[in-house]
Amino acid sequence: SQQGEEDPQALSIQEGENATMNCSYKTSINNLQWYRQNSGRGLVHLILIRSNEREKHSGRLRVTLDTSKKSSSLLITASRAADTASYFCATDETGRRALTFGSGTRLQVQP
Amino acid sequence: NAGVTQTPKFQVLKTGQSMTLQCAQDMNHNSMYWYRQDPGMGLRLIYYSASEGTTDKGEVPNGYNVSRLNKREFSLRLESAAPSQTSVYFCASSDSRTSGRNEQFFGPGTRLTVL
Repeated sequence: SQQGEEDPQALSIQEGENATMNCSYKTSINNLQWYRQNSGRGLVHLILIRSNEREKHSGRLRVTLDTSKKSSSLLITASRAADTASYFCATDETGRRALTFGSGTRLQVQP
Repeated sequence: NAGVTQTPKFQVLKTGQSMTLQCAQDMNHNSMYWYRQDPGMGLRLIYYSASEGTTDKGEVPNGYNVSRLNKREFSLRLESAAPSQTSVYFCASSDSRTSGRNEQFFGPGTRLTVL
């Protein structure tokens, strides 16, 4: 079963608006990562937040992590049409060598 | 640097045929992975290799075999393809020596259809 579950499954917004995606997980983690996948392409790493961090920024991306609730959120500010893609969270679980990916959020940004 | 490359990009097989998906990385990473992606299910780990000479099963290894040929190359073999193996296959690599990160780099994928 998937460790990370994203919410919502799909999101449609207008250019310039903010987009927020959430991820929940079940076990102890070393870090949580977010990836983007453009249609028909491989995944691209966006940002990593360690288990002892609560918030991290990278450009227009803001990630939060709440280990007590086992949840994370990805905020994309001032969205652009080029942000249209699927976004996946992935957990690096304690004791496991491989990441566990969620099922993703499909983001559509309307120009 | 090419990063992670995969061949072929597309493949159509008949049930029972065999094939090998090739993956290579030029980033000197220790760890390599094979995933499959099905609609609405995210990525599921098939096999991974933590280092040259070692391989381990992931979530969905049945019907697949792997070979870590050297540090650069990690191949995935379907011995007798089944329609349930119709999927998009991604190879990834990471530098597992980087403490506390395990950021993965992905190839462009192979789209496989089994008739």
